[in-house]
Amino acid sequence: DGGITQSPKYLFRKEGQNVTLSCEQNLNHDAMYWYRQDPGQGLRLIYYSQIVNDFQKGDIAEGYSVSREKKESFPLTVTSAQKNPTAFYLCASSATQGSPLHFGNGTRLTVT
Amino acid sequence: GQQVMQIPQYQHVQEGEDFTTYCNSSTTLSNIQWYKQRPGGHPVFLIQLVKSGEVKKQKRLTFQFGEAKKNSSLHITATQTTDVGTYFCAGASGGGADGLTFGKGTHLIIQP
Repeated sequence: DGGITQSPKYLFRKEGQNVTLSCEQNLNHDAMYWYRQDPGQGLRLIYYSQIVNDFQKGDIAEGYSVSREKKESFPLTVTSAQKNPTAFYLCASSATQGSPLHFGNGTRLTVT
Repeated sequence: GQQVMQIPQYQHVQEGEDFTTYCNSSTTLSNIQWYKQRPGGHPVFLIQLVKSGEVKKQKRLTFQFGEAKKNSSLHITATQTTDVGTYFCAGASGGGADGLTFGKGTHLIIQP
């Protein structure tokens, strides 16, 4: 079955450590996205990529970094510069920009 | 930038009652999409509306897109416990950071 795989489901880190969240898709989608979800905040865009080796900042990119070396993969690094990293992180893909999104199951990151 | 406002934030209903959530965009949209997120889950695409005044139905769910393509609604008839979750609208403008701007969602709580 085609889909998006995020791992791990739960992640715990100490403050000051960088952490990388994995996102893999086998839908052959060009566009991939990272969203952050906090209670009552809805979905906020962190980074997006429309094509391999290219990506753009979203609304809340500070303290995060991404890479898109392969079409299937779009990992997100939460750096120590992110002041409030504890959140639910969702990766998504779409065939083209603006078309319906397919979401992964998400990674719940807790930083203490 | 584009803003999508969604109301209400929370809605409590008795099982069997109807439910409606509304979205309003600050700009004209090329399309609007609706997603459902079950508690503890990830958003799942429900439908996309493209044409001015469009109405689409999925069983007990009715989706409408306004004539001016700036507002939309989702109506659920005779709610069931399986309808519990958060309903998000997302507007595509053809421009902007990722072409999709999410509303903050409406949490539907159903009392049996």
